Amino acid sequence: RKEVEQDPGPFNVPEGATVAFNCTYSNSASQSFFWYRQDCRKEPKLLMSVYSSGNEDGRFTAQLNRASQYISLLIRDSKLSDSATYLCVVIVPFSGGYNKLIFGAGTRLAVHP
Amino acid sequence: GAVVSQHPSRVICKSGTSVKIECRSLDFQATTMFWYRQFPKQSLMLMATSNEGSKATYEQGVEKDKFLINHASLTLSTLTVTSAHPEDSSFYICSARDHRGMGTEAFFGQGTRLTVV
Repeated sequence: RKEVEQDPGPFNVPEGATVAFNCTYSNSASQSFFWYRQDCRKEPKLLMSVYSSGNEDGRFTAQLNRASQYISLLIRDSKLSDSATYLCVVIVPFSGGYNKLIFGAGTRLAVHP
Repeated sequence: GAVVSQHPSRVICKSGTSVKIECRSLDFQATTMFWYRQFPKQSLMLMATSNEGSKATYEQGVEKDKFLINHASLTLSTLTVTSAHPEDSSFYICSARDHRGMGTEAFFGQGTRLTVV
């Protein structure tokens, strides 16, 4: 089983739609969680951190369910500019007190007029 | 936000030569740096994790003698692709993080597009 799993999509949605992405992780000791966005042929950029209490930033809402080892990202009122690949990122413990970042395969979103 | 600078952004080299890629954290101490590889239309694959002052830890299937990683300081890590072959052509991205902050994000370099001819 992969350490971080995402539905690769693509999700093709019209402008204004609400879309939700899911991500599951296998390591119960995982400590921190993020959603990154990656545009074609560019480096990933942080979209938002994911907290146990859930967090919202404008049209974006992230949720974490530790019991189910599940993370979600909800995008409301989709814009054309939201078209990108959304990467679920999990920080897992590593030897020597360090951590490593593991990426999901990414979910591709295409928003059309 | 923090800045991670990666150079070069593009490199074309001949088969059999070596290529060095640099990754620098410009305004924070990167106790941990990660090196990823991404083939077209595929996800970022972690190659190795390096902690300052110690040897890198390579993921399964990544040859440590082929992909040499050095993390000699808190602001610089290098990846050297030795005896490059066309199948090594890929997008290589570094990421830097200060592990001492539990919830801190990782910052990414701009990536290096390597083409081996």
